Amino acid sequence: QVQLVQSGSEVKKPGASVKVSCKTSGYSFVTYNMDWVRQAPGQGLEWMGWINTHNGNPTYAQGFTGRFVFSLDTSVSTAYLQISNLKAEDTAVYFCARRIGNLYKFSYYFHIDVWGKGTTVTVSS
Amino acid sequence: DIQMTQSPSTLSASVGDRVTITCRPSQSISTWLAWYQHKREKAPKLLIYKASSLDSGVPSRFSGSGSGTEFTLTISSLQPDDFATYFCQQYDSYPYTFGQGTKLEVK
Repeated sequence: QVQLVQSGSEVKKPGASVKVSCKTSGYSFVTYNMDWVRQAPGQGLEWMGWINTHNGNPTYAQGFTGRFVFSLDTSVSTAYLQISNLKAEDTAVYFCARRIGNLYKFSYYFHIDVWGKGTTVTVSS
Repeated sequence: DIQMTQSPSTLSASVGDRVTITCRPSQSISTWLAWYQHKREKAPKLLIYKASSLDSGVPSRFSGSGSGTEFTLTISSLQPDDFATYFCQQYDSYPYTFGQGTKLEVK
């Protein structure tokens, strides 16, 4: 079955970097694009953006440019989220999530159909 | 950005109850809305997409309705496995945004 298996929890100091992995299985990796979603403690879900798994082109939501990088390794069907220069406010659970599209009047509308369990990143000195 | 107002934030109910959760976007999103169920330490699970389409394998006691600026998720007869957090998401326009979630707890 379709699975998105994320890497384990991370504890990092401010200023460090972290790379979260999302290994997929059960489907053709390059056929579905991947979203990233964040949930800070006590907060709601926040959409970070998505990456085109066919060509590696990322799209970042406002607030997630600069220190956040989406990447891929198609040879191992894995998506990555790297966060550099970590700040305390980056403490959150980060989810990868597969998106699926509906074509409607010449436009695609994508919703998330499969999620990973999330990776907790804690930034603390 | 489209703001998603979800209510209630907490809902106490018993097995067998019919429950309804509401999501109101700050502007019309046609029917581009999804509902998810999330349990602690588990991956969120898609229940409903395009406002009313039941995802494959989701029990028929779950249903979604609405369009524009008001949507509802209804569980017709609560089962023990349904106690979880539910959230909505709009995918009409970027950035995608989510409701704050509804925690469905045992009464």
